[in-house]
Amino acid sequence: QSALTQPPSASGSPGQSVTISCTGTSSDVGGYNYVSWYQQHPGKAPKLMIYEVSKRPSGVPDRFSGSKSGNTASLTVSGLQAEDEADYYCSSYAGSNNFDFGTGTKVTVL
Amino acid sequence: EVQLVQSGAEVKKPGESLKISCKGSGYSFTSYWIGWVRQMPGKGLEWMGIIYPGDSDTRYSPSFQGQVTISADKSISTAYLQWSSLKASDTAMYYCARQTATFDPWGQGTLVTVSS
Repeated sequence: QSALTQPPSASGSPGQSVTISCTGTSSDVGGYNYVSWYQQHPGKAPKLMIYEVSKRPSGVPDRFSGSKSGNTASLTVSGLQAEDEADYYCSSYAGSNNFDFGTGTKVTVL
Repeated sequence: EVQLVQSGAEVKKPGESLKISCKGSGYSFTSYWIGWVRQMPGKGLEWMGIIYPGDSDTRYSPSFQGQVTISADKSISTAYLQWSSLKASDTAMYYCARQTATFDPWGQGTLVTVSS
């Protein structure tokens, strides 16, 4: 069991888009459609932003979208806003009631 | 409103024991898994394990097996995470979350500091 790989950082200007990748293996990301994404502001608990690869919970802006290809999942934030600056983590089911988190990506709004 | 409320911050010495809690409300506590997640200072999220309060079925991440104990008391809708002998390396924020294949919602976190 090992952490899913994310880029340490990503950035964009207000209004632009940023995409974060989450790379695993065929035993986790590639094997199940149970990838989710979490936003964490400093000093706060994580918040669910995307579940089951591309579904948005009620209340999450449609600027947030998710996708998956093979062993890599992606989160895209379109129309970046100042409040989107945060850490983002992916998570995937890894079989046998095990779960992995990604290494985390710090998104900076320039 | 579905809510998980965790116990307050703790400061302990190495070798001491500790049990922190996570109380669920606004849903059927016995029908959903509760997961525990560690976040060490300045680091990422690590999945520790889960418990199904309905029958106390418990699973651990291989990284945490034998290091902690997860339990639950369904009569008071509360899950627990406990250590028998803390180490300085256990210093971290610990979160509980209602867990399916997704972690939602999350508790507010319990900061555990272990220092001599």
